[in-house]
Amino acid sequence: ETGVTQTPRHLVMGMTNKKSLKCEQHLGHNAMYWYKQSAKKPLELMFVYSLEERVENNSVPSRFSPECPNSSHLFLHLHTLQPEDSALYLCASSQDPNSPYEQYFGPGTRLTVT
Amino acid sequence: AQSVTQLDSQVPVFEEAPVELRCNYSSSVSVYLFWYVQYPNQGLQLLLKYLSGSTLVKGINGFEAEFNKSQTSFHLRKPSVHISDTAEYFCAVTRMDSSYKLIFGSGTRLLVRP
Repeated sequence: ETGVTQTPRHLVMGMTNKKSLKCEQHLGHNAMYWYKQSAKKPLELMFVYSLEERVENNSVPSRFSPECPNSSHLFLHLHTLQPEDSALYLCASSQDPNSPYEQYFGPGTRLTVT
Repeated sequence: AQSVTQLDSQVPVFEEAPVELRCNYSSSVSVYLFWYVQYPNQGLQLLLKYLSGSTLVKGINGFEAEFNKSQTSFHLRKPSVHISDTAEYFCAVTRMDSSYKLIFGSGTRLLVRP
């Protein structure tokens, strides 16, 4: 595997379910990000991790819970979601969060909340 | 706070014609500027970025952009487009003192017709 991978690619869940999204980067980067991409809206930065420490929580509801066990893996734990949480969730990584290096994006997980 | 405006939600153009995708930004501090492209069912990929120096920036796939500080613009151009350039294009800015926090525009869909 190369670059940034995300699993699953598609997920349908009910409002009472608990699920997790997984992201893995194979680039040796130190920073990882979660974004939300909704139809007709700009990408929204959700969380930023630098060397496994959360450095940004962009006013995200607590029903989204991130976890970064090491610099290569990032999870987004989901519980009691709402239909408006349906979106494409993108993971990204970069070499250093404090420099304007390129962010490398995964293909995303298309989430549908029913 | 920073903001990015992409006035055109969709730009149709014929193959081999030139194209310009417009981006205007608002910020009270100095920023870095980026253009990303998203092909169907894929994550975002960096086309080019402006950090400093020459205001004309060349990127991948024959694209270029010009930074105009007085007009707070960073328009993307290509002299001759291909069918394969059909995609969603996102302009983004970040503050120089928090360069991980990308602020995206709402995107412009480039539709290249034969």
